[in-house]
Amino acid sequence: EPEVTQTPSHQVTQMGQEVILRCVPISNHLYFYWYRQILGQKVEFLVSFYNNEISEKSEIFDDQFSVERPDGSNFTLKIRSTKLEDSAMYFCASSEGTSGGYFTDTQYFGPGTRLTVL
Amino acid sequence: AQSVTQPDIHITVSEGASLELRCNYSYGATPYLFWYVQSPGQGLQLLLKYFSGDTLVQGIKGFEAEFQRSQSSFNLRKPSVHWSDAAEYFCAVGSGGEEYGNKLVFGAGTILRVKS
Repeated sequence: EPEVTQTPSHQVTQMGQEVILRCVPISNHLYFYWYRQILGQKVEFLVSFYNNEISEKSEIFDDQFSVERPDGSNFTLKIRSTKLEDSAMYFCASSEGTSGGYFTDTQYFGPGTRLTVL
Repeated sequence: AQSVTQPDIHITVSEGASLELRCNYSYGATPYLFWYVQSPGQGLQLLLKYFSGDTLVQGIKGFEAEFQRSQSSFNLRKPSVHWSDAAEYFCAVGSGGEEYGNKLVFGAGTILRVKS
């Protein structure tokens, strides 16, 4: 069964450093998402991406964050200058887009990247 | 804004016993509701979803959930729990359209422990 993959599984970085989290969505999917979960808190939506542009972003997704689909298979989340409060599990998800990319599409999630900012 | 409440942080049940995990939502329009499960080291796997129609929906692994509009609830049930069901369970409400945007809003999760 096709699945979403994410690398690395765990990333440790120093405050102020840039990090890039990588995701390979399911190959025929058109919509891509990033969510994060700070330890002990809810899974929160960050951003959705379709047709090579952001379709929606939350208030968390400020200028320090960016997303990119650099080639036909990868989807990346970049944090420009990490802060301690960016420490979290980051989940990538993708959906087919058969329903216009909205909630009626099932979102398939990857296993997550645990980001630790020291 | 939409929100999801899962009132139980931890639940422990005996293997073979029945299970009910509670979920309440707040949403201004017709809700689209999901249950996901996360095993350690794994991603979020969809168990079942409700969009419309029959309010009792069947999912994978023998789970079912009932949408009750009057209670604003979407509780997850399983008649007989197996040890492999031990995991964290997340309820989520999905939204579409210009007002709410294209995203899932999750509850805080319920950790299920199964004792033998």
